[in-house]
Parts: sequence; C-alpha cells; structure tokens
Amino acid sequence: EDQVTQSPEALRLQEGESSSLNCSYTVSGLRGLFWYRQDPGKGPEFLFTLYSAGEEKEKERLKATLTKKESFLHITAPKPEDSATYLCAVRGGSNYKLTFGKGTLLTVNP
Amino acid sequence: SAVISQKPSRDICQRGTSLTIQCQVDSQVTMMFWYRQQPGQSLTLIATANQGSEATYESGFVIDKFPISRPNLTFSTLTVSNMSPEDSSIYLCSVEDGGQTGANVLTFGAGSRLTVL
Repeated sequence: EDQVTQSPEALRLQEGESSSLNCSYTVSGLRGLFWYRQDPGKGPEFLFTLYSAGEEKEKERLKATLTKKESFLHITAPKPEDSATYLCAVRGGSNYKLTFGKGTLLTVNP
Repeated sequence: SAVISQKPSRDICQRGTSLTIQCQVDSQVTMMFWYRQQPGQSLTLIATANQGSEATYESGFVIDKFPISRPNLTFSTLTVSNMSPEDSSIYLCSVEDGGQTGANVLTFGAGSRLTVL
C-alpha cells in the first residue's frame, strides 16, 4: 500500500526566511510525485510533478526535488502570500489514484 | 486547464438526512474522482465515476452510503446518505487534466464543506 508522510505538520517562518518541507513516501513503482498548494476554502492547486530521482522543478520561490525515498519543497525568501497548506501525493504501480499526505501548514509572517 | 464548479460550497445538515453534491466541468472528461478531506486527515479517494458505467469505490466506501451519478462527460453528483456527524468533511470533485498542467495531473474543484449536526 502506498504511503506518504509529510513533515513538519506546521511551519512558521518570517518573511525572507528560507526553509524546506519534507515528503517521505513508499510506493511500488513510482509513476509520479505531486505537490499541491491549498488555500483555506479552496481546492488543491497543482504545483509540480516529479517522475524520477534527481529531478528538480522550480516555480518562482518554490523548488521541488526528488530522491528514491523523499521529496523536498524548498521555499526561498518566502512572502506572506506563500502561506498555505502544501500537499504531497504519489501515484504508483498500475494504480491511477493519488495517495496524499496530511499536508504541511505554512505560515509566513511579515 | 479544466474549470470545475461544485455546488453547494457549504451546507449544514441534520443527522439522518442526505445531501447531493454537484460537480460540473467545463470540458468533456473520461473519469471524474470524488475525494473526502476530513479535518486533520489526508485527502482520501471515495470513488471514480466513469460515464456510462457504475462508479468504482475504494476500500471503506460503499455505494449505499455514497451513491454517484455520471449522466454525461461533464457532470457528476455524489450523494452522502443517512448522514452522521462523522460525515462532516470537505468533499472534492476532481478530473485528470492533460492540458496546460500536464498529463495525469488532477485538477480540483473548490470543494463542498458539509457540517452534520
């Protein structure tokens, strides 16, 4: 059974203070690791897909990396508008469904 | 990318009643997915709805509790039947989006927040 564990559960940063969110996973035959952002009262919004170890993707202040066991979402010089819950999910084997972690609630204070 | 509209956005329901959530997509899609997001828990897939066939339910979810309709390629409904406080949750509709976001990426609606008293 695919499993995803995200840490920390919550993270408070000052504006400009860089940090990383962790997503550890176990999956049979990774077919994609996904990062989503979710704002209160909204559905998850797609950020990145990573497919193989060593792959990296960037978008503005966010950079996602992938190893065989975990993924990191690096946030460089965050701004208050980066405050949200960040969700990690995996798709494995012949399964079409995504298995999600519980998310990391990020708060960036001005 | 696909645009998904869900109704209602939120509702307060009485124990023992049923509520139907609607999901409308602005483009034709083969599969539509219904997820549940309980407080402090991860997004969990309830079922997959294909047009013209019975929905496929995940372990722990049954058709009598969560009947699903899929009358065409742009619309689906999820009913939460005989509700109890444990059904208080956010219910989300999603579709696979092969457009700008890339193949096999799920796009989600804004969700329907149900509170059962």
